[in-house]
Amino acid sequence: KQEVTQIPAALSVPEGENLVLNCSFTDSAIYNLQWFRQDPGKGLTSLLLIQSSQREQTSGRLNASLDKSSGRSTLYIAASQPGDSATYLCAVEYADSWGKFQFGAGTQVVVTP
Amino acid sequence: SAVISQKPSRDICQRGTSLTIQCQVDSQVTMMFWYRQQPGQSLTLIATANQGSEATYESGFVIDKFPISRPNLTFSTLTVSNMSPEDSSIYLCSVSEGYEQYFGPGTRLTVT
Repeated sequence: KQEVTQIPAALSVPEGENLVLNCSFTDSAIYNLQWFRQDPGKGLTSLLLIQSSQREQTSGRLNASLDKSSGRSTLYIAASQPGDSATYLCAVEYADSWGKFQFGAGTQVVVTP
Repeated sequence: SAVISQKPSRDICQRGTSLTIQCQVDSQVTMMFWYRQQPGQSLTLIATANQGSEATYESGFVIDKFPISRPNLTFSTLTVSNMSPEDSSIYLCSVSEGYEQYFGPGTRLTVT
């Protein structure tokens, strides 16, 4: 069974500290992996997409890495700010399910001033 | 990136009734997807809607409960039929554009 797991489920850090969010998946045959942010009661905002041929993507303070062989992706957020408080979701598009993304349960992040 | 709108944004419905959720995209897309997010849970794919063909449902979801229409390349509807409190969730539509997936703001449904 193909699964996506995110650890930790929740994380609280003081402002300025770096955040490290982990995502693991059970099948290395993937097309894409996408990181999203969800604010309470809101929809999803796309943060970064990593294609299966890529090893990392960067956007501003965000960096996401992908290691297909070990079935892992890590989202780094540098110098966290209170505005980074949200739930972060990892979604995997497996090779045998083109167009369909399977989501992890998310990591709820709180950045305290 | 695709811009997606949904109507209604939220609704409170009585048990046994049905609600139709609309999803509008600002560009033509081949595939549209409907997801459900139950309270405190992550997203689960309900079905894939392609224009001109029947929707494809994931395991655990059936057409009688969640009928979907896809009349053109920019619009889709999801109906939640014969609702029960267990249907209380956020329903989101999404589209694939290039390699990325984009989501609408969601419809928050509460069934009493």
